[in-house]
Amino acid sequence: EVQLVESGGGLVQPGGSLKLSCAASGFTFSASAMHWVRQASGKGLEWVGRIRTKPNNYATTYAASVEGRFTISRDDSRNTVFLQMNSLKTEDAALYYCFKEGDHWGQGTLVSVSS
Amino acid sequence: QTVVTQEPSLTVSPGGTVTLTCASSTGAVTSGYYPNWFQQKPGQAPRSLIYNIDNKYSWTPARFSGSLLGGKAALTLSGVQPEDEAEYYCLLYYGGAQGVFGGGTKLTVL
Repeated sequence: EVQLVESGGGLVQPGGSLKLSCAASGFTFSASAMHWVRQASGKGLEWVGRIRTKPNNYATTYAASVEGRFTISRDDSRNTVFLQMNSLKTEDAALYYCFKEGDHWGQGTLVSVSS
Repeated sequence: QTVVTQEPSLTVSPGGTVTLTCASSTGAVTSGYYPNWFQQKPGQAPRSLIYNIDNKYSWTPARFSGSLLGGKAALTLSGVQPEDEAEYYCLLYYGGAQGVFGGGTKLTVL
């Protein structure tokens, strides 16, 4: 059974940093591109970024709204994908989901940005 | 800024048929945008329904189908069930790399 479990969310002040993790199991993690998606309270889904696989040089792409502030990385030995978020703004507050390209989603981890 | 547009809301009767669409501000949606469709019910994580225009997952009910229609990606529900009431999102990939979600369609079954 495919499982994706996000963690690392919490309350952070504007300008601060936070690192989210997504632990994967039940599939060949190293062969799967992984995405981060967020959803502000009462709003729609917003694509955050993607990291590809080793054969694709772990290439990353990001939404314009987070480019230069957020970094996605992965550790295939730990079946985990990360989202490093720097220079956080109030508008980054959301439920952050990871998803395995195309199919399974985690349950999300909540990020709050407030002073 | 690329914008992906969906109908904000649609209403359908049980047993009826409804088509949701997904348009790109850059022009016609083609296979190169790898259209995906997701369903989200209140308080739940999204669930993947359709990938690459019209491909279903093992869990996707047969009444859901994807297509390209009039320059847009489309999701058609045939024989709608009450449990299909949900928010539906499309996702398009630009340059095969950067994703953009549509604003979502709230589907009411009434």
